[in-house]
Formats: sequence, C-alpha cells, structure tokens
Amino acid sequence: DAGVTQSPTHLIKTRGQQVTLRCSPKSGHDTVSWYQQALGQGPQFIFQYYEEEERQRGNFPDRFSGHQFPNYSSELNVNALLLGDSALYLCASSLGSYSYTFGSGTRLTVV
Amino acid sequence: QKEVEQDPGPLSVPEGAIVSLNCTYSNSAFQYFMWYRQYSRKGPELLMYTYSSGNKEDGRFTAQVDKSSKYISLFIRDSQPSDSATYLCAMRGSNTDKLIFGTGTRLQVFP
Repeated sequence: DAGVTQSPTHLIKTRGQQVTLRCSPKSGHDTVSWYQQALGQGPQFIFQYYEEEERQRGNFPDRFSGHQFPNYSSELNVNALLLGDSALYLCASSLGSYSYTFGSGTRLTVV
Repeated sequence: QKEVEQDPGPLSVPEGAIVSLNCTYSNSAFQYFMWYRQYSRKGPELLMYTYSSGNKEDGRFTAQVDKSSKYISLFIRDSQPSDSATYLCAMRGSNTDKLIFGTGTRLQVFP
C-alpha cells in the first residue's frame, strides 16, 4: 500500500518564477494538507483541501494556492517566488482528522 | 511568543539510555497531541497520538500530557542508534485540523 507520494523530489527555481508541486494521498485518504518546513524549523500549515475545496488556510499570502482533484490528489502552486520560499514542502493526507500521513516532501530552492 | 516551544537540542545519549523529550504550549484550546519522528530528508512519521491529559504507552515509547501545566513529554526507553532523528511535537484544537508544530529536537544515540 503506497503512502503519500510527492513530486518532484527536488527542484531549483529563480526568483519571480512560478512552481507547481504535486501530491498523491495515501490510498483511502480523502483530505490533503500542505505544510512548509524551513531548515531547522517545524512544519507550518499552509492549507487543507477536502472535497476539492480549500477548507482551512494558514498564515500564507495569496501567492500560495492549491487544488484538489476528484481522485483526491492535490497541487500546490506558488507564484512570484521569493528567496524565503526555499523550504521543504510536505503533503499530509488523512481520512477525516485522525492520523495524518506525511510524504517525504519536495525540497524547493529559490535562487 | 510561539504557541509551541521545544528545545532544539541536539541531545546526545548513549545506547540504552532513557530519553525525555518535552514541549510546552500556550494555547489552552489544544486537545490533541502528537509526536512525530523525522529522519533526515524524510517526512515526519507519526509515533504517538493522545487526546487530552494522561499517558499512552506503545512499546518503548510513552507519551504524557499534562494540560494543567501545558506540558507534554515523550519518553524513549532502551534507546537505539536507529532512534537518532529529529522529534517533533504537534498539537491542535478540537475544531481545526491545523497542526501546530514545535521546532523539533534533534536526538543522537551513540553506540
């Protein structure tokens, strides 16, 4: 049983560019949350998707947007990249509110 | 002041030692408390999940929650070199799925 799958594993972008990160949830899970983890810090909640709608959002600017597809997979889009957006982006899936399963993340470097 | 405080360590102990990891928090609305283990270049892995105050044991791991003191702990008995990782505490209220993480404590268990 595959867990949470994220792609790509790593990528490097230039300031001002746009990026799309992808997440396939664990089988049976219907809810996807995205977190940003800066180096040496704990993950910070970006937003959560359920039934293809953003259900909850953290303290992140509108440059961060997302989408959930009918098969429960999700995308995170970041526009107008800043150097400070460099981080590990984690996707977590769950069925309801219990037991979130995290993927290994996408490491984004903005130069 | 951060909602969740966690000593970043690093904490270095010999194999077989009992390890104590702790977090304090300020938000009395937190009801669900979790401990995650994160290996380098990997996503967080759920170790323990507790609701409200009390103790929970799972193998070599024991989680304690003291809501009156706003203090949670994770004890690892008979620590092994394979326990070397970063340990993150996380918590949330009852009406939200947003997890608030500590910064993580880096643990090294040497043979």
